[in-house]
Amino acid sequence: QSVLTQPPSVSAAPGQKVTISCSGSSSNIGNNYVSWYQHFPGIAPKVLIYDNNKRPSGIPDRFSGSKSGTSATLGITGLQTGDEADYYCGTWDSRLSAVVFGGGTKVTVL
Amino acid sequence: QVQLQQSGPGLVKPSQTLSLTCAISGDSVSSNSAVWNWIRQSPSRGLEWLGRTYYKSKWSKNYAVSVKRRITINPDTSKNQFSLQLDSVTPEDTAVYYCARGDQSFHIWGQGTMVTVSS
Repeated sequence: QSVLTQPPSVSAAPGQKVTISCSGSSSNIGNNYVSWYQHFPGIAPKVLIYDNNKRPSGIPDRFSGSKSGTSATLGITGLQTGDEADYYCGTWDSRLSAVVFGGGTKVTVL
Repeated sequence: QVQLQQSGPGLVKPSQTLSLTCAISGDSVSSNSAVWNWIRQSPSRGLEWLGRTYYKSKWSKNYAVSVKRRITINPDTSKNQFSLQLDSVTPEDTAVYYCARGDQSFHIWGQGTMVTVSS
């Protein structure tokens, strides 16, 4: 069971928007930065969002991140078939002195 | 441009030790501003952070509770690389293993090594 809680799956039609939630506690999300990763099978994960809401160069602004209290959210607008992947949230946990990830959310484009 | 190149066997027998190496180019394992991690991914467990090492006046390490009794991450300054050793492996340790650079977020990853634990 993961320290951070994500929904197992979300889906939407092409062009629509999806949001993925990531719920934690004061020892992790509440007091540390959150990052989000996109993972395709057989390829190393790619960071989409870091420091809660910053995008690395090359990541389109269709991807956005936000944080409120002990929860964080990844938003994907203008959904494309190429966005079908697994998405993970991650952060530092000050109580565990460890990086923790969510269980992952599979995005399906209908 | 920082790159990480992983090496190590893809098949390990149960009860033996898994050993992987991550060679660094474009940065230094001794850099005061870098943190070096091992992360694994499996269908059943998703992404799982295993541990890290970094140098800030002295070498430090942090390990995940789930593997703390079995894991060792060591820097090798002479070869500018760092390594992962995971002892007493079981089939549950079968996963793709990645090395990655980063503190709270991971921007640079190795290519991944599929490690199967089987006799």
